Amino acid sequence: GAGVSQSPRYKVAKRGQDVALRCDPISGHVSLFWYQQALGQGPEFLTYFQNEAQLDKSGLPSDRFFAERPEGSVSTLKIQRTQQEDSAVYLCASSPGGAGGNQPQHFGDGTRLSIL
Amino acid sequence: RKEVEQDPGPFNVPEGATVAFNCTYSNSASQSFFWYRQDCRKEPKLLMSVYSSGNEDGRFTAQLNRASQYISLLIRDSKLSDSATYLCVVIRYSNYQLIWGAGTKLIIKP
Repeated sequence: GAGVSQSPRYKVAKRGQDVALRCDPISGHVSLFWYQQALGQGPEFLTYFQNEAQLDKSGLPSDRFFAERPEGSVSTLKIQRTQQEDSAVYLCASSPGGAGGNQPQHFGDGTRLSIL
Repeated sequence: RKEVEQDPGPFNVPEGATVAFNCTYSNSASQSFFWYRQDCRKEPKLLMSVYSSGNEDGRFTAQLNRASQYISLLIRDSKLSDSATYLCVVIRYSNYQLIWGAGTKLIIKP
């Protein structure tokens, strides 16, 4: 389809394992965002890419979290040595333009991560 | 205090009624505002942007009050399908980040 695509939809991992979450934004969208959403909360910002450049990673909770977007399209969020507190829905969003502006973001379905 | 605050609800409203809820923001430099809707276990979806002059889209009306730093969403003639969580989103003028409220849960009852 033409929307933001995320995979997998669900991921279960044992504590200590590494996981990789994929986001395929809307074609041509410059900006890509990752959010973490805990149950009953709004999405919390993790990191932002403008094309391939990671302009802000201030929301990443620890150095176990790493994101990349090497060719300015698909992005991967990697979590190393997962902990139970990493369990959440990870949302990816994209918007057409660069930083700033009044552009709403278009979200993928999210990846629901459960750490056992 | 959170930068964007919403009453979590739930608001239990009979079908056909009018319901309104607010979202307050603390950063006066906030520039842009949106309402998103999120269904259970689904991703947030844009409902409407909020303009300074207020705007209306069918049964939905959004208002911005900069002096008091809040935005509002009014839903008229509510439908069962309006049951969802409504998330308020604010963009700071000097930043691209979206700051999200925790959402207001709305339940429309037959």
